[in-house]
Amino acid sequence: DVKVTQSSRYLVKRTGEKVFLECVQDMDHENMFWYRQDPGLGLRLIYFSYDVKMKEKGDIPEGYSVSREKKERFSLILESASTNQTSMYLCASSLSVTDSPLHFGNGTRLTVT
Amino acid sequence: GQNIDQPTEMTATEGAIVQINCTYQTSGFNGLFWYQQHAGEAPTFLSYNVLDGLEEKGRFSSFLSRSKGYSYLLLKELQMKDSASYLCAGGAGGSYIPTFGRGTSLIVHP
Repeated sequence: DVKVTQSSRYLVKRTGEKVFLECVQDMDHENMFWYRQDPGLGLRLIYFSYDVKMKEKGDIPEGYSVSREKKERFSLILESASTNQTSMYLCASSLSVTDSPLHFGNGTRLTVT
Repeated sequence: GQNIDQPTEMTATEGAIVQINCTYQTSGFNGLFWYQQHAGEAPTFLSYNVLDGLEEKGRFSSFLSRSKGYSYLLLKELQMKDSASYLCAGGAGGSYIPTFGRGTSLIVHP
């Protein structure tokens, strides 16, 4: 079974802080994703990575950056956290982008005060 | 990107059958996924359809009509534990990455 692990379940940060959300997968998947999930808006893609050091912007990349130095690890960075980034963040990995299911981590609920 | 539409909320009775519909843009279609998400948990994969027709997996079935840009998830013999959000996701047009609909919250009553 694929396991996707997110480092924190709950996180509280202050406005302006730099925030790192870490994600590790153990199935040697090429593709990794960061989504945020908000009530009424569903899952929205922030960034996607299809290989080490390769990344593509998703639908809502503003205010975020990502890092993929190793295949198994994909980090989401909030350079200067703002209250409108309070959300549930979900990391996922997949074997293929178009026809393989996403395997999600348990999510990190981030609150920015 | 893809425009995915699904109802916001549905209610049904334990033991009944419920059909959750999803519509999407047909241009450059790559396939359609269904996920289940219980409150406070991560989404889990239910089904993937790329060809027309019905695919059955136990109590859950998923149907696709490519020409109509339409899919549905059919849940039979509903159980209380089926109360969850059901997410439809598909890729089409210029985006090969599946886009998610806003999810359908299913409430199963005794």
